[in-house]
Amino acid sequence: EAGVAQSPRYKIIEKRQSVAFWCNPISGHATLYWYQQILGQGPKLLIQFQNNGVVDDSQLPKDRFSAERLKGVDSTLKIQPAKLEDSAVYLCASSPRTSGGASTGELFFGEGSRLTVL
Amino acid sequence: GQQVMQIPQYQHVQEGEDFTTYCNSSTTLSNIQWYKQRPGGHPVFLIQLVKSGEVKKQKRLTFQFGEAKKNSSLHITATQTTDVGTYFCAGPTGGFKTIFGAGTRLFVKA
Repeated sequence: EAGVAQSPRYKIIEKRQSVAFWCNPISGHATLYWYQQILGQGPKLLIQFQNNGVVDDSQLPKDRFSAERLKGVDSTLKIQPAKLEDSAVYLCASSPRTSGGASTGELFFGEGSRLTVL
Repeated sequence: GQQVMQIPQYQHVQEGEDFTTYCNSSTTLSNIQWYKQRPGGHPVFLIQLVKSGEVKKQKRLTFQFGEAKKNSSLHITATQTTDVGTYFCAGPTGGFKTIFGAGTRLFVKA
């Protein structure tokens, strides 16, 4: 079974530029998450999708970050304009749906996209 | 908001010594998950505990969920160099939003 795919693996940009990250979850996984992991810290949830609807985006800096999951499969996270403090690894994760419709909570992570903002 | 705290932040051990990391939540959790992240890698799911007082074992790893379902621990017996990495606990808030602790980074000296 293929895992969660993310691209690009690495990206270096200057502040005020824009960047986009792509994620393709495990086939059949209804729930998709974007986490931000700053060096030395735990993953911080940015946004959670259930199919193509947003479940939680309370910690997404909406003035500069946006995310979409069209057709309920792959997803894109965009940052515009980037700030120095956005330097982090952006992790995409997915989780399967139980027969009752709720997520099991077990997360399968992709390799991550490492962003450096200069 | 709900917080998940982990201690210690770092632990240095000699190979063969035991290691324990503790996780505490400010609210009752429906379940708790543990993940391992190797240096330069991504978090990998280890286990999920659901029941109050539950204890699960995976070879040298023992996981416990507290009776009040607000704390948990991971114990590694006789650490090996392959155990190096950061161990995270994670718990769901209402609506299945999963919050991670800051992690405990384990260093093992051969």
